[in-house]
Amino acid sequence: DSGVTQTPKHLITATGQRVTLRCSPRSGDLSVYWYQQSLDQGLQFLIQYYNGEERAKGNILERFSAQQFPDLHSELNLSSLELGDSALYFCASSVGNKGGGRETQYFGPGTRLLVL
Amino acid sequence: QQQVKQSPQSLIVQKGGISIINCAYENTAFDYFPWYQQFPGKGPALLIAIRPDVSEKKEGRFTISFNKSAKQFSLHIMDSQPGDSATYFCAASIPGGGNKLTFGTGTQLKVEL
Repeated sequence: DSGVTQTPKHLITATGQRVTLRCSPRSGDLSVYWYQQSLDQGLQFLIQYYNGEERAKGNILERFSAQQFPDLHSELNLSSLELGDSALYFCASSVGNKGGGRETQYFGPGTRLLVL
Repeated sequence: QQQVKQSPQSLIVQKGGISIINCAYENTAFDYFPWYQQFPGKGPALLIAIRPDVSEKKEGRFTISFNKSAKQFSLHIMDSQPGDSATYFCAASIPGGGNKLTFGTGTQLKVEL
């Protein structure tokens, strides 16, 4: 158990809908990362937050947004869902090196999203 | 753009054998190279990591070999066991600007009895 929790574990929804994925980092970790894992794209970095502020951005679609709250949990919002958004979404956390780099990221168990 | 190339895509090794997974990168700004292990239904977990100022790092049965001039690094699993059957990902990150990981495409390892 990494100490990172994600809810829900599974999510089935329809195209055009909006969903929210939730992540609670390990106790004491300030950085939260979101990754998407799909068969064709592999593991792709989406976005990182450090202590409530956006720290780095990957190839995150404009339909997707995220935030980190004062209690450090994070939410990933996916809107106008398309079939291609079906994937595993992982949250990871790390202690939080403001300078970045070389920190172990601890991954949660993921949320499996299926868009029908 | 695939910045970290990983091979092979799948690998079958006999119990007790050596498993070797290779990765190559393009961006010389990368300065941290972790390997992650993922079991079905689980999130990736850090296995071992190396910095470019070191040519080899060993932790138990797992060894990373790093060749900076060739921009390649590899994972060796000695005395492979059925419990090692999992998907392995190499990754790389750039200092500063966060800690985002660029992952390879993964290698599905099966260790047979």
